[in-house]
Amino acid sequence: DVVMTQSPLSLPVTLGQPASISCRSSQSLVHSDGNTYLTWFQQRPGQSPRRLIYKVSNRDSGVPDRFSGSGSGTDFTLKISRVEAEDVGVYYCMQGTHWPPWTFGQGTKVEIK
Amino acid sequence: EVQLVESGGGLVQPGGSLRLSCATSGFSFSVYWMQWVRQAPGKGLVWVSHINSDGSSTTYADSVKGRFTISRDNAKNTLYLQMNSLRAEDTAMYYCVRDNFGVDYWGRGTQVTVSS
Repeated sequence: DVVMTQSPLSLPVTLGQPASISCRSSQSLVHSDGNTYLTWFQQRPGQSPRRLIYKVSNRDSGVPDRFSGSGSGTDFTLKISRVEAEDVGVYYCMQGTHWPPWTFGQGTKVEIK
Repeated sequence: EVQLVESGGGLVQPGGSLRLSCATSGFSFSVYWMQWVRQAPGKGLVWVSHINSDGSSTTYADSVKGRFTISRDNAKNTLYLQMNSLRAEDTAMYYCVRDNFGVDYWGRGTQVTVSS
């Protein structure tokens, strides 16, 4: 199974400052079809998860452009350029290249300092 | 608008059974793979099961294999999860999710609590 490792697990951030979350996979996430199925989700308190980024760097419709995804192979990053109060929650990466099982990172809790 | 609405959760004793349903609307259900993902209280997301578009192929997490069965009714646009021999460690919020070359839409979830 592919193990997804996120860091940090807790991220206190000052409003207006940038934030960065790392996600590393135990093997390359490049699929034989050439795509890399690495997805980022946001889960606000008391809500179900919401997809932010798919295939490493594609932002979903309605997602603010302060969110960006990057990376390749086994090393991926979610960046928030300027954290706003509504960004508080837990962020998860997930791989869909080598399945089953589909696997998630442990989650990174973003909170305001 | 894509909608996924889970139901069927509740309190059940260890060894009992539950059948979860996920009613969908706003998209062509019959062409999409679907999955179930769960989240224990205060914990992270864990994949449970997947089914392909016509129901001919299914996969399961090792922790539920042999106890859970995923199925779908494309005429009713509904996904199911039959859960048997439930254990305390199955206690979680269960989410129905759409798989569009990667998970995209999530339902609000249905809570399953296994306790005596």
